[in-house]
Amino acid sequence: EVQLVESGGGLVQPGRSLRLSCAASAFTFDDYAMYWVRQAPGRGLEWVSSIDWNGGSIAYADSVKGRFAISRDNAKNSQYLQMNSLRAEDTALYYCVKGRGPYFDHYGMDVWGRGTPVTVSS
Amino acid sequence: IVMTQSPLSLPVTPGEPASISCRSSQSLLHSNGNNYLDWYLQKPGQSPQLLIYLGSNRASGVPDRFSGSGSGTDFTLKISRVEAEDVGIYYCVHALKNPFTFGPGTKVDIK
Repeated sequence: EVQLVESGGGLVQPGRSLRLSCAASAFTFDDYAMYWVRQAPGRGLEWVSSIDWNGGSIAYADSVKGRFAISRDNAKNSQYLQMNSLRAEDTALYYCVKGRGPYFDHYGMDVWGRGTPVTVSS
Repeated sequence: IVMTQSPLSLPVTPGEPASISCRSSQSLLHSNGNNYLDWYLQKPGQSPQLLIYLGSNRASGVPDRFSGSGSGTDFTLKISRVEAEDVGIYYCVHALKNPFTFGPGTKVDIK
């Protein structure tokens, strides 16, 4: 069964940094694009970032561009989200999501992890 | 691309049909014939699960009471006979190109 396990969330002060990790299993990781999607408390879903199968193409939501950096290590079946200059509005549950193909345009998502919570507060 | 859904709240009776509409501000129909529109269900306390992809294809393991239809900018998710386990928030999302935007969600609960 495909499994995605996020880690690295927690309570952090505004302006500080946090690095999220996602460990994938039970599928050929480097065949698929990966995504990060977040959900603020009591709110809907917001796409954050995408990375294609080999990291050659990356995209960010405007709300995080210049502050967040997505990456992946295919040898470790893992993806990461480096979050810098965190703001209160970044508070959310961050989901790691598997793509349905090697690229993110024209493919979409399928399996989601359980999420890791990030709280930005002083 | 802006995604809208209606209704935002949908009380349902078990055994009865239900329908949710999703509209996009731009056509999601690609020249390859695919409509890049997916449907997810987020059950209470759980992560979203894929129900329908490319507008009308049921994901693996999804009961056949769920169906998706539509093309271009107008899409519909239908549940032929609602069951108690179908409660939750239904989201549409486009997969055409980044940024990938979700609809606001439709909360389905039992009357």
